[in-house]
Amino acid sequence: NAGVTQTPKFQVLKTGQSMTLQCAQDMNHNSMYWYRQDPGMGLRLIYYSASEGTTDKGEVPNGYNVSRLNKREFSLRLESAAPSQTSVYFCASRRKTSGGTDTQYFGPGTRLTVL
Amino acid sequence: GNSVTQMEGPVTLSEEAFLTINCTYTATGYPSLFWYVQYPGEGLQLLLKATKADDKGSNKGFEATYRKETTSFHLEKGSVQVSDSAVYFCALIIMNSGGYQKVTFGIGTKLQVIP
Repeated sequence: NAGVTQTPKFQVLKTGQSMTLQCAQDMNHNSMYWYRQDPGMGLRLIYYSASEGTTDKGEVPNGYNVSRLNKREFSLRLESAAPSQTSVYFCASRRKTSGGTDTQYFGPGTRLTVL
Repeated sequence: GNSVTQMEGPVTLSEEAFLTINCTYTATGYPSLFWYVQYPGEGLQLLLKATKADDKGSNKGFEATYRKETTSFHLEKGSVQVSDSAVYFCALIIMNSGGYQKVTFGIGTKLQVIP
């Protein structure tokens, strides 16, 4: 049981390049989330998926797109990277679709630098 | 909107010292409160939680009590170890009208424990 896995761990992009961050969970969780972590700002939600086939915007969705490929996988795409997207990105999953206070489980993060 | 306030730190303590990391919140409705810990190079892990007023969460010697009257959820440990060095995030979770679990994180408090 690997929990939540993310690839890659590190990435350096040039402004304008595109890339996809991958996330997978093997806990049969329904909800999945993408956050970015910036110094002094805590974690901010980019997008979430309450269940397979649905996605919704979080607090800071501009410049990103997501795909819930199946129940296990939730990818985050940067179509045209900008220096402001330099951050550490965390994927998380949660068992329930809605309701309850069960916790989210986090992946190890992807450290992205945009030059 | 909802918010979580905690000091950024770093908080530097000697081994076996008493730890308090303050966390206060504002929220509409009835949130559940969480402390997450992030060790260097890793993702966030749930440390403890409390789902209603006066509940006490505890784990690994850490404790926090949900105080509705002071809107606080301070983290305490009686005797810290070098291995406790990490960043600690206070968070609240509340369900919005759409049944989505909205998580609000504090900015994180860095704890350094020196031998």
